[in-house]
Amino acid sequence: GAGVSQTPSNKVTEKGKYVELRCDPISGHTALYWYRQSLGQGPEFLIYFQGTGAADDSGLPNDRFFAVRPEGSVSTLKIQRTERGDSAVYLCASSSGWGHEAFFGQGTRLTVV
Amino acid sequence: DAKTTQPTSMDCAEGRAANLPCNHSTISGNEYVYWYRQIHSQGPQYIIHGLKNNETNEMASLIITEDRKSSTLILPHATLRDTAVYYCIVRVGGGGTSYGKLTFGQGTILTVHP
Repeated sequence: GAGVSQTPSNKVTEKGKYVELRCDPISGHTALYWYRQSLGQGPEFLIYFQGTGAADDSGLPNDRFFAVRPEGSVSTLKIQRTERGDSAVYLCASSSGWGHEAFFGQGTRLTVV
Repeated sequence: DAKTTQPTSMDCAEGRAANLPCNHSTISGNEYVYWYRQIHSQGPQYIIHGLKNNETNEMASLIITEDRKSSTLILPHATLRDTAVYYCIVRVGGGGTSYGKLTFGQGTILTVHP
């Protein structure tokens, strides 16, 4: 596809469960970002990958959150022991490098009940 | 990253130019100014970016002051579909290892009315 693809588009899970959110970046983009957005707020940075490595994970709120990008393409955001406060839209973006625009996916709406 | 200040909301009549201001008084020499917008229930959409010079593309124009402490995004002929939250972001760049984090603020809610 031409754009950033995120799956699933919606996820409802019970408190305490584990979830995985997937991001397929634009082909050839080396940089990949994860953000989350709560209602009425701007997107909040979580983690940034350059290639396979996490260049900046300073936005991950705690050790329940983890992200991987093993082959430098697809990335998975993993949330353990989900809490109701984790409910948000999780956004993924990719770019071809520094100084280049980032393209965002449509997001995954996570609801923890 | 430098902080940005934007008005909370603005209105514009359809067909008129929308001028969205942004203050970034602590911007440093290697920081770019980026503009994104977010239409309800969609991911943010890139609009334009610049370092020093004014920039224009098919969507908008970006005017950056000479001291780089502020900028204005111009939508020359606003349409109803331009109603969205507009984010002004300054983004650290640098040689060597890329550092591409975008830090979003609250943005400006632009409402285009008939």
